[in-house]
Amino acid sequence: GAGVSQSPSNKVTEKGKDVELRCDPISGHTALYWYRQRLGQGLEFLIYFQGNSAPDKSGLPSDRFSAERTGESVSTLTIQRTQQEDSAVYLCAGVTTARYTFGSGTRLTVV
Amino acid sequence: DQQVKQNSPSLSVQEGRISILNCDYTNSMFDYFLWYKKYPAEGPTFLISISSIKDKNEDGRFTVFLNKSAKHLSLHIVPSQPGDSAVYFCAASGNSGGSNYKLTFGKGTLLTVNP
Repeated sequence: GAGVSQSPSNKVTEKGKDVELRCDPISGHTALYWYRQRLGQGLEFLIYFQGNSAPDKSGLPSDRFSAERTGESVSTLTIQRTQQEDSAVYLCAGVTTARYTFGSGTRLTVV
Repeated sequence: DQQVKQNSPSLSVQEGRISILNCDYTNSMFDYFLWYKKYPAEGPTFLISISSIKDKNEDGRFTVFLNKSAKHLSLHIVPSQPGDSAVYFCAASGNSGGSNYKLTFGKGTLLTVNP
């Protein structure tokens, strides 16, 4: 497709459940970023993938968060044992020369 | 500690007038700055950027000004149009020449342009 695709667009989950968020990047975007935006906050960096290099996981808030990406393909962000503070819009972006192309995000609500 | 600050959560202007959105940063290692625009239920889209070697960059109705000594940048929209109503995010990077374009974002400013 022409843009970055994220699924699901909305997810409501019970506290303690695991969730998996998916990002389909644009072909050719070797770098992929995950950010999240909690209510009233800016975009918060989570993790960065660049080709086959080791990912930069410095933004992951806890060990309940993990992400995978194989090569330049789909990335998945997994949150285990979700907590209410995990509620946010999770955004994925493909990057070339500092120009981010964002997906529409996944709105996660933990109840 | 917020390294990129947008102190005005909202701004309202009349159609045809100038909109000025402000952004301050604290990290002197930042050398590349961007503005993104976000409509509801959509991801942010790139609007305009500026490198620290410049103090102004213009693209149509949009101009970004950078004052490095004050660690301040601003986005001017002239003339403002109702379709400009959106949340505007200021972002900064400290590695414009490298391969890791990790951006630090502000909290955003909601611009409303009234007809």
